[in-house]
Amino acid sequence: AQSVTQLGSHVSVSEGALVLLRCNYSSSVPPYLFWYVQYPNQGLQLLLKYTTGATLVKGINGFEAEFKKSETSFHLTKPSAHMSDAAEYFCAVTQKAGTALIFGKGTTLSVSS
Amino acid sequence: EPEVTQTPSHQVTQMGQEVILRCVPISNHLYFYWYRQILGQKVEFLVSFYNNEISEKSEIFDDQFSVERPDGSNFTLKIRSTKLEDSAMYFCASSDSNPYGYTFGSGTRLTVV
Repeated sequence: AQSVTQLGSHVSVSEGALVLLRCNYSSSVPPYLFWYVQYPNQGLQLLLKYTTGATLVKGINGFEAEFKKSETSFHLTKPSAHMSDAAEYFCAVTQKAGTALIFGKGTTLSVSS
Repeated sequence: EPEVTQTPSHQVTQMGQEVILRCVPISNHLYFYWYRQILGQKVEFLVSFYNNEISEKSEIFDDQFSVERPDGSNFTLKIRSTKLEDSAMYFCASSDSNPYGYTFGSGTRLTVV
């Protein structure tokens, strides 16, 4: 069975600092991996996704993530945090079309000035 | 860009009442899903639907829940007799034949009183 573990339910950074949100997955077959962002009282917005090919994936708003098969990780990074990045971030995994997208518990990112 | 549309955005219902949440998936998508998110918790898979039948469901999706595609455009989730613990944000999603083609709607916040 697939699963996702997000280390750290809450991450706090200063504006301009590096953002690192951790995600580890468990999957018996090559996974498809996603990061979603959720702003308060809003829906899920896709940040980026890994399917096949290049292991470093660039997404919206300056975020990127690297798929590391040997570490079963898909950590999300952004070189310089902005106040507008404060939100809930979810990592998710699926194996094939039509199957459930399994979410992690989420990480709340706070950005201070 | 094509969107998944959910109505209503917020619904309040009394315990024991039936509710129907509505979704219009992206027109050329083949797979349809419902997820829920209890306040402050992770997004949980409920059910997937393909070729006019349920293809996968979670333990949450018990006999109180049902899904239907009554016509060529709508996809509905019915909760037969709502409980207080059904209060959550419900997200509809659809995808094409690609496992990374998920698109989520903006959600319906269901409040059971």
